[in-house]
Amino acid sequence: KQEVTQIPAALSVPEGENLVLNCSFTDSAIYNLQWFRQDPGKGLTSLLLIQSSQREQTSGRLNASLDKSSGRSTLYIAASQPGDSATYLCAVRQGGSEKLVFGKGTKLTVNP
Amino acid sequence: GAGVSQSPRYKVAKRGQDVALRCDPISGHVSLFWYQQALGQGPEFLTYFQNEAQLDKSGLPSDRFFAERPEGSVSTLKIQRTQQEDSAVYLCASSSAQGYSNQPQHFGDGTRLSIL
Repeated sequence: KQEVTQIPAALSVPEGENLVLNCSFTDSAIYNLQWFRQDPGKGLTSLLLIQSSQREQTSGRLNASLDKSSGRSTLYIAASQPGDSATYLCAVRQGGSEKLVFGKGTKLTVNP
Repeated sequence: GAGVSQSPRYKVAKRGQDVALRCDPISGHVSLFWYQQALGQGPEFLTYFQNEAQLDKSGLPSDRFFAERPEGSVSTLKIQRTQQEDSAVYLCASSSAQGYSNQPQHFGDGTRLSIL
């Protein structure tokens, strides 16, 4: 059974700092990996999707990497801003399945 | 264009009542998913539709949970004889992907269900 773990559970940083969020998964037979952002009381916003054949994806100040063989992904946020404060969730889509398996998320607070 | 729309946003019910939660996916999206998110946890998969066909219902926690998508568009998640442990946020997602296609899932804002 696929298990997804995110470390740390919470992170507080000053504005302008570069930061890394970590995601690990137990079964490397994934089809893709997605990073989402969730604001309080809201649904999930898709940030980046990395296919299993890719090593990284970039969107603006966000960069996500994938090391499928070691079961790890990182989300790098450059020059963090207070508006980046949210919970960040990592999810994997298993090969042969349509569903996503999520981690519990990392709650990020960026202080002005 | 409009995103995934869910209604109601909040639902309070007494234990033992039946509830129905609605999801309007993005127009033209073939795939539709329901997830359950408990407080402080990540979403957990409940069920998946491709058009009107329910292809995976392995995540439904009991036979009190039932989902349908009769015309391949709007979907309803029904919970019968609700219990306190059913209290959670129910998220709907849709995607243009089917089979071997890398398209993201797009989520609605969810329905927050509270069972008293």
